[in-house]
Amino acid sequence: QKEVEQNSGPLSVPEGAIASLNCTYSDRGSQSFFWYRQYSGKSPELIMSIYSNGDKEDGRFTAQLNKASQYVSLLIRDSQPSDSATYLCAVYYGNNRLAFGKGNQVVVIP
Amino acid sequence: DVKVTQSSRYLVKRTGEKVFLECVQDMDHENMFWYRQDPGLGLRLIYFSYDVKMKEKGDIPEGYSVSREKKERFSLILESASTNQTSMYLCASSYGTANEKLFFGSGTQLSVL
Repeated sequence: QKEVEQNSGPLSVPEGAIASLNCTYSDRGSQSFFWYRQYSGKSPELIMSIYSNGDKEDGRFTAQLNKASQYVSLLIRDSQPSDSATYLCAVYYGNNRLAFGKGNQVVVIP
Repeated sequence: DVKVTQSSRYLVKRTGEKVFLECVQDMDHENMFWYRQDPGLGLRLIYFSYDVKMKEKGDIPEGYSVSREKKERFSLILESASTNQTSMYLCASSYGTANEKLFFGSGTQLSVL
């Protein structure tokens, strides 16, 4: 089974600060990477996808991918209370299979 | 908007019962998936289907089966429910493979007593 690791515990950030989330994966051949956001009691929703090394920006979100080091990260700039949620890293490793990390909880403090 | 509907939000069953979880999507998606989500374990793939009557085991298929008789409907079956199957079950669909955006239903919290 392919591993996706999100090891850091709950992240508390002040409103307006940058939240930084990291994820590592085990399958060097993986080509597609995703970040899903899950509000408490709700289902996950896709917020970012990234396929190439480097940065990809979408509004206040930036995904960063480094395939050589097998990590993908998510930055949330100008964090808002509405960003308080659990963020799930997901890695596609072929054959219609997407492996999810356990998630990182983000709490934005007003 | 894509809608993925799961028939029950909460379900309580007894050990040994046969349990059906239903999922319907309204966007003509080819692929449908069943995941379970447990605290500390994250989302794990149980089964998926890439076409009507076609199914494939995911990472944790033991104790489960699935049925896809129509394109829009994907059912998860617990043949004989056990307490370790108490979990949040999430159905998802995508037009292409899981390499594309997954649309999730609102989930079914199943408790097996």
